Amino acid sequence: GAGVSQSPSNKVTEKGKDVELRCDPISGHTALYWYRQRLGQGLEFLIYFQGNSAPDKSGLPSDRFSAERTGESVSTLTIQRTQQEDSAVYLCASSLGGTGNPYEQYFGPGTRLTVT
Amino acid sequence: KNQVEQSPQSLIILEGKNCTLQCNYTVSPFSNLRWYKQDTGRGPVSLTIMTFSENTKSNGRYTATLDADTKQSSLHITASQLSDSASYICVVSAAGNKLTFGGGTRVLVKP
Repeated sequence: GAGVSQSPSNKVTEKGKDVELRCDPISGHTALYWYRQRLGQGLEFLIYFQGNSAPDKSGLPSDRFSAERTGESVSTLTIQRTQQEDSAVYLCASSLGGTGNPYEQYFGPGTRLTVT
Repeated sequence: KNQVEQSPQSLIILEGKNCTLQCNYTVSPFSNLRWYKQDTGRGPVSLTIMTFSENTKSNGRYTATLDADTKQSSLHITASQLSDSASYICVVSAAGNKLTFGGGTRVLVKP
């Protein structure tokens, strides 16, 4: 079946512009995660959605970052007034449930964001 | 503070040889430990997931071990292949569905 998909695959934007990144999780997966991976570095947790519960936003680095999820389907990550330090690969992952349980987490291919 | 430390940062091995990657963590309370393989330019792919009661788990030529007492895990790659060249990431889950990622070990398999 289809895996996690993300769009766009690449995005180049000017400093100060807003960008919107999209994630389509695997159908039926109630949990959805966003991560950021800077070049040559590990993954940083950004935000976690679980069903209809309030999202865990504790990883969002600033109020310029926000994310929404429509039910248990598509999610969008929005970065306002982008800065050069926002340049990174943004990865989305979904799973059947929260990672406190041993559910497999499936990652999308990521969106590479470059802020010039 | 929850932390996951991996070693070595990188290693080069010859095709057909074995290698072992290390992961030490200070995540509490512990839920499970995961190893992922991440090819360059791709998202991570899960190799193993181990809970507190599991000491070892295999996935083909990959074998992960877990010592919950010493808070250490290892990933052993047997008879390495060129396709094993990737970053291997140790990830520990705490209660509350929070994942803490290690920095990864970059493995290069040479012919």
